[in-house]
Amino acid sequence: EPEVTQTPSHQVTQMGQEVILRCVPISNHLYFYWYRQILGQKVEFLVSFYNNEISEKSEIFDDQFSVERPDGSNFTLKIRSTKLEDSAMYFCASSELTSGGNEQFFGPGTRLTVL
Amino acid sequence: GDSVTQMEGPVTLSEEAFLTINCTYTATGYPSLFWYVQYPGEGLQLLLKATKADDKGSNKGFEATYRKETTSFHLEKGSVQVSDSAVYFCALSAIFGNEKLTFGTGTRLTIIP
Repeated sequence: EPEVTQTPSHQVTQMGQEVILRCVPISNHLYFYWYRQILGQKVEFLVSFYNNEISEKSEIFDDQFSVERPDGSNFTLKIRSTKLEDSAMYFCASSELTSGGNEQFFGPGTRLTVL
Repeated sequence: GDSVTQMEGPVTLSEEAFLTINCTYTATGYPSLFWYVQYPGEGLQLLLKATKADDKGSNKGFEATYRKETTSFHLEKGSVQVSDSAVYFCALSAIFGNEKLTFGTGTRLTIIP
């Protein structure tokens, strides 16, 4: 069964460093998403991406964040200069193009720890 | 904006007990409603969904009914198993298009033999 994969599973970085989180969505999916979950809090939407551009972003997704689909398979989230408060579990998701009630398929997540 | 309020956890039940996890929502229009489950060490998986009022989603013995009048989508199962131990998330999205999901806080469920 096709699945969304994410690497690495755990990333530890120093404050101020750049990190790139990687995701491989399901191959025939066209919509891609990033969410995050700070420990003990709810899963929050960051950004959605379709047709090589951002379709929606939340207020969390500021200038320190960027997304890219560098080739036909990977979808990346870059944090330019990490802050302590960026420590969270980051989930990638993908979905088929649909008219509504779409199922988003999630990866296992990358736990980011900023020291 | 849209929001989901979910029953606080953790919830601990004995095997074969009846389960209810409450979920209510606030949204403009008529959103689609979802329950996702996260097993230890894994990503979020769709458990069930409903896209219009009075629809009942069901899967693996779990059920939830879209109640527009009470803006609720409570998750129920008649007889839980140890393998149901997981974190359960209620979520909504706009009915049209590939909209973002808005999640509740999640409810950790532990079933003891």
